[in-house]
Amino acid sequence: NFMLTQPHSVSESPGKTLTISCTRSSGSIASNYVQWYQQRPGSAPTTVIYEHNQRPSGVPDRFSGSIDSSSNSASLTISGLKTEDEADYYCQSYDSSNAWVFGGGTKLTVL
Amino acid sequence: QVQLVQSGAEVKKPGASVKVSCKASGYTFTRYAMHWVRQAPGQRLEWMGWINAGKGHTKYSQKFQGRVTITRDTSASTAYMELSSLRSEDTAVYYCARESAGGGSYLAHWGQGTLVIVSS
Repeated sequence: NFMLTQPHSVSESPGKTLTISCTRSSGSIASNYVQWYQQRPGSAPTTVIYEHNQRPSGVPDRFSGSIDSSSNSASLTISGLKTEDEADYYCQSYDSSNAWVFGGGTKLTVL
Repeated sequence: QVQLVQSGAEVKKPGASVKVSCKASGYTFTRYAMHWVRQAPGQRLEWMGWINAGKGHTKYSQKFQGRVTITRDTSASTAYMELSSLRSEDTAVYYCARESAGGGSYLAHWGQGTLVIVSS
């Protein structure tokens, strides 16, 4: 199986743009869709990006996703940061046998 | 609207088993896979496995293979996750989550979570 590695924490000021990376340890990042979940303290996760770069309805277009095959990684970019974006963010993908994998999570602080 | 309502918190002794339920409503239960994800206090999300609610096929994470069993009762629109040989490291919030419509590529709906505490 493979692992998804994320930075433990990131921080940025309100109004700025920030990118969180998610690197796949083996196998191509492009071979299986990557999703991103936001989790606020005490709550269940919610999806902000699915299938690499799609937004569920209701998610603002400040959130965008992409993949980079050269670095075998996916990225979540949040523009116009708001204090309400402060949360933990998890990337997720699956392998060819449909076993799902979550990244280690990234704590976003907006200060 | 889709709702997933899980059973209440449990306290178990090491070596025991726990069975958590997840009652679904607001959609046709057998049309979507149900996943189980856990989160230890202050830790990351961990995927445990899923069940095809229609056919009953299952897939488990290698980490939990042999200790976890996911089942469903279609007549009750309920999925179950049973974890055996509990140890203190299994103390966590356990979530059920339904796949999205149109291909099931992400977890679109989540239960409220069930806290399981393993302590002697």
